[in-house]
Amino acid sequence: QLQLQESGPGLVKPSETLSLTCTVSGGSISSSSYYWGWIRQPPGKGLEWIGSIYYSGSTYYNPSLKSRLTISVDTSKNQFSLKLTSVAAADTAVYYCARRLPQYYMDVWGKGTTVTVSS
Amino acid sequence: EIVLTQSPATLSLSPGERATLSCRASQSVSSYLAWYQQKPGQAPRLLIYDASDRATGIPARFSGSGSGTDFTLTISSLEPEDFAVYYCQQRSNWITFGQGTRLEIK
Repeated sequence: QLQLQESGPGLVKPSETLSLTCTVSGGSISSSSYYWGWIRQPPGKGLEWIGSIYYSGSTYYNPSLKSRLTISVDTSKNQFSLKLTSVAAADTAVYYCARRLPQYYMDVWGKGTTVTVSS
Repeated sequence: EIVLTQSPATLSLSPGERATLSCRASQSVSSYLAWYQQKPGQAPRLLIYDASDRATGIPARFSGSGSGTDFTLTISSLEPEDFAVYYCQQRSNWITFGQGTRLEIK
């Protein structure tokens, strides 16, 4: 059974870089057809898609975050990662990683990790 | 950016009743629309994709319809575990979500 698990610091200072990793188990991140993505949810608010990556390294970013965002993949570790630079309080959210189907829907999700931006 | 507007914001119903949730897109998304269910403290769960196809393991009481700009998620007879927040998502342009409909027990 495919499982995804987010990991990373729960507290990041303003203007610094938020870094998260998603570890995929029960399946290979190199499976053809699937992309691997990040979605976030500010406290009490709705969902925002961040971006996604294919095992080859091809990426697809939310235009509103593109200038601060890097998503990368490490197939040897079955992991993919998120880096968001110059964070502010508005980046405080629960961050989810998920498997993205070829049809651009997310069918398997991690449990989410809370990231707070505060000094 | 395609904006998805969900209505109502909150829907209060009793178990056994029929629930009808709406999602309207600011421009046509063809049939490229999904519905997710999210319970407190949990990740979203994919219910419906491509407007009307049920995801694996989703009960038949959940159904989706619509195309273009107007979509509906119907729960034919509410079970206690169905009370949650529901989001629609489109993929025609980059991925965006609606703001959610909270389905609460009356």
